[in-house]
Amino acid sequence: EVQLVESGGGLVQPGGSLRLSCAASGFTFSTYWMTWVRQAPGKGLEWVANIKQDGSEKYYVDSVKGRFTISRDNAKNSLYLQMNSLRAEDTAVYYCARGQHGSGSYTIYYYMDVWGKGTTVTVSS
Amino acid sequence: SYELTQPPSVSVSPGQTASITCSGDKLGDKFACWYQQKPGQSPVLVISQDTKRPSGIPERFSGSNSGNTATLTIRGTQAMDEADYYCQAWDSSTVVFGGGTKLTVL
Repeated sequence: EVQLVESGGGLVQPGGSLRLSCAASGFTFSTYWMTWVRQAPGKGLEWVANIKQDGSEKYYVDSVKGRFTISRDNAKNSLYLQMNSLRAEDTAVYYCARGQHGSGSYTIYYYMDVWGKGTTVTVSS
Repeated sequence: SYELTQPPSVSVSPGQTASITCSGDKLGDKFACWYQQKPGQSPVLVISQDTKRPSGIPERFSGSNSGNTATLTIRGTQAMDEADYYCQAWDSSTVVFGGGTKLTVL
């Protein structure tokens, strides 16, 4: 069974750090782009970061650039999100998702076809 | 940065057709996809690459994309289809989500 399981969420004070993990199973992890998406309470989905199969390309939403770092360990089938200088507005459920990246007849597509159940991050004093 | 706009809410009667739109500049030149999210659950992909239905998604779900608008259509809408729906596109190596549409079946 294809599965993604996030962990590492919790309560942290503003300015603190947290490292999220995502354990993948049931598919060849090293052949897929991976993505972090978050959802603040009562709000919509917000993309956070992407990473290419070999980690050579990483992309971030502007609001987390310089504070968050996405990484992966293909030998451990794991995806990570290191979050530093956390702010109240980072409070959200963080989802790990598998990316499907390719090119059609005229442009590139990217979508997420497998999602984890999420881990909750709360930034509060 | 690229933006996608969805109506906040759409209502439909059971058995009728629901249409949810997603607007963006020249969106038809990109690939759009759609996710369904029910309360307390993770998002589920229902349409990829404008029109493709993943395995396990009912045939009543379909998608189209042309000009500046992508549309998710649900024919014969059922009570179980009540959920939030998000469109998504890829632009300049970033993932862009629409704001989401709450579909109410009443």
